[in-house]
Amino acid sequence: AQSVTQLDSQVPVFEEAPVELRCNYSSSVSVYLFWYVQYPNQGLQLLLKYLSGSTLVESINGFEAEFNKSQTSFHLRKPSVHISDTAEYFCALGAGSYQLTFGKGTKLSVIP
Amino acid sequence: KAGVTQTPRYLIKTRGQQVTLSCSPISGHRSVSWYQQTPGQGLQFLFEYFSETQRNKGNFPGRFSGRQFSNSRSEMNVSTLELGDSALYLCASSFGGTSTDTQYFGPGTRLTVL
Repeated sequence: AQSVTQLDSQVPVFEEAPVELRCNYSSSVSVYLFWYVQYPNQGLQLLLKYLSGSTLVESINGFEAEFNKSQTSFHLRKPSVHISDTAEYFCALGAGSYQLTFGKGTKLSVIP
Repeated sequence: KAGVTQTPRYLIKTRGQQVTLSCSPISGHRSVSWYQQTPGQGLQFLFEYFSETQRNKGNFPGRFSGRQFSNSRSEMNVSTLELGDSALYLCASSFGGTSTDTQYFGPGTRLTVL
């Protein structure tokens, strides 16, 4: 069985400060990892994904995540957040079963 | 390319009724997945369809069912609604539905059961 744990349900951070949203996973098979973002009253949008190769993946809006197999983690980071980054972020795992397993989400609140 | 569309966006039903939700995937995508999102349980997988065949099903009672049509459009049905079925139902489409495929989500249908 697979599982995803997002360690923080809420993360408040001041504008222009760095942020890290933590994600740990458990799986007995090869994994593919995703971060999705959900803005209020909207569906989920893909932020970035790790399939293979370089363990550091980046998004077009300044987020990055590093796949760490030994620590079974896929933490999301941004060096300087903006008000517009306020949203809920979901870490998800794909592991060969035609479904994504999601973490419970982390609500990022950016404080002006 | 048009995104994933879901209809209706909002629904209010009463206990015991049934409901049908619709999802139109991105053109060319053959896999459609459904998820239930609630504040307490988060995002939970309901089922996945590919070329009209259900390939995987989550841990939900038989009141939850779905189907996919030859044009890849999908519907899900919930019969004998319960208060706990109130949730945001999200549909996602992908090209092949494999673990490496990006799933593209619709805006969801918010179901309220009174």
